[in-house]
Amino acid sequence: GAGVSQSPSNKVTEKGKDVELRCDPISGHTALYWYRQSLGQGLEFLIYFQGNSAPDKSGLPSDRFSAERTGGSVSTLTIQRTQQEDSAVYLCASSITAGGETQYFGPGTRLLVL
Amino acid sequence: AQSVAQPEDQVNVAEGNPLTVKCTYSVSGNPYLFWYVQYPNRGLQFLLKYITGDNLVKGSYGFEAEFNKSQTSFHLKKPSALVSDSALYFCAVRDMPGNQFYFGTGTSLTVIP
Repeated sequence: GAGVSQSPSNKVTEKGKDVELRCDPISGHTALYWYRQSLGQGLEFLIYFQGNSAPDKSGLPSDRFSAERTGGSVSTLTIQRTQQEDSAVYLCASSITAGGETQYFGPGTRLLVL
Repeated sequence: AQSVAQPEDQVNVAEGNPLTVKCTYSVSGNPYLFWYVQYPNRGLQFLLKYITGDNLVKGSYGFEAEFNKSQTSFHLKKPSALVSDSALYFCAVRDMPGNQFYFGTGTSLTVIP
């Protein structure tokens, strides 16, 4: 079956603009994660959705970052008033449930803020 | 604080030789431990995980890892390296019962023909 997909694959934007990044998880996966991967850094946890529960937003770096997950499936990560330090690869992952389940990662969206 | 450390940014090994990629962790509860691999221009792929049971875990592509509770380590190993193993390797830990996964900064493995 299809894996996790993300769009766009690349995004170039100007400082101060808003961007939306999309993630389509594997069908039937109830858990969805967003991470940020910066050059030379590990994966930084951003936000976690599990079913219909309230998301764990503890990793969002500022109030310019938000995410939603509609219908328990597709998720959108929105960055408002982008800054140059937001430039990174944004990765989405899904798993069947939370817990020790394996995460399946999408190919990522490479964001460049000029 | 929960954390994962991969002390080596870069590991070089000759083809056919055994390889080890190191990982240590710090969590407050029982750890769930994972290894992922990232090939150039591709997403992260699951290699193996330790949840409970046997401390030696076998995973994809001939890799294995040993959970050592006393040393809080989860090193990735392979008896005979292939050039195609060259990639970026990430160790991750989930601190149960939390939701977050903590990833290391990655180790770039180069297998020299």
